[in-house]
Amino acid sequence: LAKTTQPISMDSYEGQEVNITCSHNNIATNDYITWYQQFPSQGPRFIIQGYKTKVTNEVASLFIPADRKSSTLSLPRVSLSDTAVYYCLVGDLTSGTYKYIFGTGTRLKVLA
Amino acid sequence: DGGITQSPKYLFRKEGQNVTLSCEQNLNHDAMYWYRQDPGQGLRLIYYSQIVNDFQKGDIAEGYSVSREKKESFPLTVTSAQKNPTAFYLCASSIGRDVDEQYFGPGTRLTVT
Repeated sequence: LAKTTQPISMDSYEGQEVNITCSHNNIATNDYITWYQQFPSQGPRFIIQGYKTKVTNEVASLFIPADRKSSTLSLPRVSLSDTAVYYCLVGDLTSGTYKYIFGTGTRLKVLA
Repeated sequence: DGGITQSPKYLFRKEGQNVTLSCEQNLNHDAMYWYRQDPGQGLRLIYYSQIVNDFQKGDIAEGYSVSREKKESFPLTVTSAQKNPTAFYLCASSIGRDVDEQYFGPGTRLTVT
């Protein structure tokens, strides 16, 4: 199972772009990279998923280099409501069980 | 409205009692999951089920049991054998193929004293 490593915490100011990088050196060929957001006392919420290069949706972008050993979640112009924990996950397809491994995530604090 | 529900939101039990947490989904998802989250920590997988009448142990299954008699329902029982049951419990579901999005319920906060 591919393990992920991401910073424990980050601070940013409103209106800034935030980039959170995740390392997954042992990512397998068929693995996808997925990011979730979690607010206190709530379940995580899917943000974005990708396999390679760049993926963009209405809330974020995901940049994945050619070697796929890392990925970067980019949040444009953050607001106070983006304060949350962000999890980077690598999908486990090796046994076809659709299991995710949630690490401790990155605690993002957006300051006014 | 499609979604995944968990009840109750808060649950209090005395040590030594079994307790069952409810999880229901009307998303027609095949796969369902139970996670445990301790303060300041990430989620740890307890059990998961890919199809009715079948389920698999996750990373921390000891002291827990589940059933999957219906596609919509995946209840979790926290038994008296679970040494540290106080935690935030999250249920999730997904379509069940490839690496797809998991939809989470609002969670149940269990306190055992």
